[in-house]
Amino acid sequence: QVQLVESGGGLVKPGGSLRLSCAASGFPFSGQYMNWIRQTPGKGLEWISYINGDSADTNYADSVKGRFTISRDNAKKSVYLQMNSLRAEDTAVYYCVRVARLADVWGQGTTVTVSS
Amino acid sequence: DVVMTQSPLSLPVTLGQPASISCRSSQTLVYSDGRIYLNWFQQRPGQSPRRLIYWVSHRDSGVPDRFSGSGSGTDFTLEISRVEAEDLGVYYCMQGTHWPWTFGQGTKVEVQ
Repeated sequence: QVQLVESGGGLVKPGGSLRLSCAASGFPFSGQYMNWIRQTPGKGLEWISYINGDSADTNYADSVKGRFTISRDNAKKSVYLQMNSLRAEDTAVYYCVRVARLADVWGQGTTVTVSS
Repeated sequence: DVVMTQSPLSLPVTLGQPASISCRSSQTLVYSDGRIYLNWFQQRPGQSPRRLIYWVSHRDSGVPDRFSGSGSGTDFTLEISRVEAEDLGVYYCMQGTHWPWTFGQGTKVEVQ
């Protein structure tokens, strides 16, 4: 069945970096837009980035633009989120989500905590 | 950014009774392909969000038919015809028309 499994979350100091990974299975990965959405108790759900199948089309929320980079490896059926210059407000559960605009399948999430 | 405003934010319900959640967008949500990218999600405690409804009123496979979505323009509604215990949790609307795609604040459905 369709499955998305995130990994890479953890505790990091402000200003640090972290790379999240999402392994996909059960569907034709290379043809799908993939996305990262995060959730915090304070700000709720926030769609932070998407990437299309051939990596030609990417976009970012203003809150992460210039600090986060989305990428994918279709041979490994994986999507990544490189997070640099992390701030306390980036503390959240990060979800890997399939399909732009429609968000039909979500992973279980990985928790990122930015704290000194 | 398009602001999605849900009401109520807390919805005490009686099992077996109907429930309704409103979602209002700050802009109309018709995309260039003619579709309205308005989705509804359910999040049970400790779980990821799960999509219930897409394109305003299309129910996802496996979603009970007691869930229905409706609306147009800037006003949308999720209705549960008879609330069951497994329906308790937080519900979110989300627009996928205007970037950045945005979510409502969430409506917590709990037993009265």
